[in-house]
Amino acid sequence: DGGITQSPKYLFRKEGQNVTLSCEQNLNHDAMYWYRQDPGQGLRLIYYSQIVNDFQKGDIAEGYSVSREKKESFPLTVTSAQKNPTAFYLCASSIGLGYEQYFGPGTRLTVT
Amino acid sequence: KNEVEQSPQNLTAQEGEFITINCSYSVGISALHWLQQHPGGGIVSLFMLSSGKKKHGRLIATINIQEKHSSLHITASHPRDSAVYICAVVPSNTGNQFYFGTGTSLTVIP
Repeated sequence: DGGITQSPKYLFRKEGQNVTLSCEQNLNHDAMYWYRQDPGQGLRLIYYSQIVNDFQKGDIAEGYSVSREKKESFPLTVTSAQKNPTAFYLCASSIGLGYEQYFGPGTRLTVT
Repeated sequence: KNEVEQSPQNLTAQEGEFITINCSYSVGISALHWLQQHPGGGIVSLFMLSSGKKKHGRLIATINIQEKHSSLHITASHPRDSAVYICAVVPSNTGNQFYFGTGTSLTVIP
């Protein structure tokens, strides 16, 4: 089955700790994205990657970092510099930028 | 500023009713997407439009490029249609990012 997976579904961390969210796809898509969703707000782009070893900041990249060492994988690290990290994080992929995006099931991160 | 506005924000309907969700945007676009987010959080793509109208089952999406407006219609609504419906546009000047609306929360009552 082709698809995009995120793990874990729920994640709890203490303030001051870095945490890495996993995103894997086997759709052979070149482009991958990370979004953050907060109640009452639209999805906001954190980072995106058009191809392996390349990624660009989105609208709210501060306090986050990513890597794209493999086509299938685009992990997101939420660093201690992110002031308000508690949110629902969604990963997506597409054949190219601007095309239909396929979303993962999301990771709900709670930082206390 | 919000480049994409959706209305209504919340919608409750009786099973069987015809439903319309509206999306207006302020930028030139190369495409518009309608997405469905289930209560568990997962998002699926329903339609990608650049002109005209598309139909899939009981769902119909239309777009008027000149008026910068799109509508999503659901015919013979069913409780399983209860979800958040999100409009997203791809600006024609960048082509590499989506601008998302805040979503319309639909509840269909049996």
